[in-house]
Amino acid sequence: GAVVSQHPSRVICKSGTSVKIECRSLDFQATTMFWYRQFPKKSLMLMATSNEGSKATYEQGVEKDKFLINHASLTLSTLTVTSAHPEDSSFYICSAKSPSSYNEQFFGPGTRLTVL
Amino acid sequence: QKEVEQDPGPLSVPEGAIVSLNCTYSNSAFQYFMWYRQYSRKGPELLMYTYSSGNKEDGRFTAQVDKSSKYISLFIRDSQPSDSATYLCAMNARNTPLVFGKGTRLSVIA
Repeated sequence: GAVVSQHPSRVICKSGTSVKIECRSLDFQATTMFWYRQFPKKSLMLMATSNEGSKATYEQGVEKDKFLINHASLTLSTLTVTSAHPEDSSFYICSAKSPSSYNEQFFGPGTRLTVL
Repeated sequence: QKEVEQDPGPLSVPEGAIVSLNCTYSNSAFQYFMWYRQYSRKGPELLMYTYSSGNKEDGRFTAQVDKSSKYISLFIRDSQPSDSATYLCAMNARNTPLVFGKGTRLSVIA
């Protein structure tokens, strides 16, 4: 149980375009999902916390107009990178809290974004 | 001082060795402690989850938390080449975001 999927696993886009990444909890309902960014050989940086039916809470330094988060249902959260630039190239990972365990987070497989 | 400190390694051990991975932290409010394993270009996989101080064992893995010293450890017995990955410690207080260590890269050599 507690499986989280992400789609797509890899995306290459041109500078200036927008990219949407989906995060789904496959076998549980996640009231809270998280979006992280990871640079090569670096740890995970929390970008935002997404609660179903409400606005996401963004970490300091993360532009909410650039990284749009929508948590429309208990099993789906989306991250849209708007007007992507090469510096947005990174590994984006989502996670979801399992309701069966108070504090555990389960991670998706990640999405590698490359902006040309 | 960073909230969570973890030696990035790399750590290289022969197959069958006992591996010891560690993190220290500064926030005494942390109560929940986790170890994640991350293979290259993949998302982190939860290995161990511990609440407060004590030990927890799961197969070849043992997690230890010493809140008095603000020190947590992950031991891997009989290490295998398939254990080669980056190991991330993570921790938080109730209703606060997880704080991750930088991760330790482990290579188990056959």
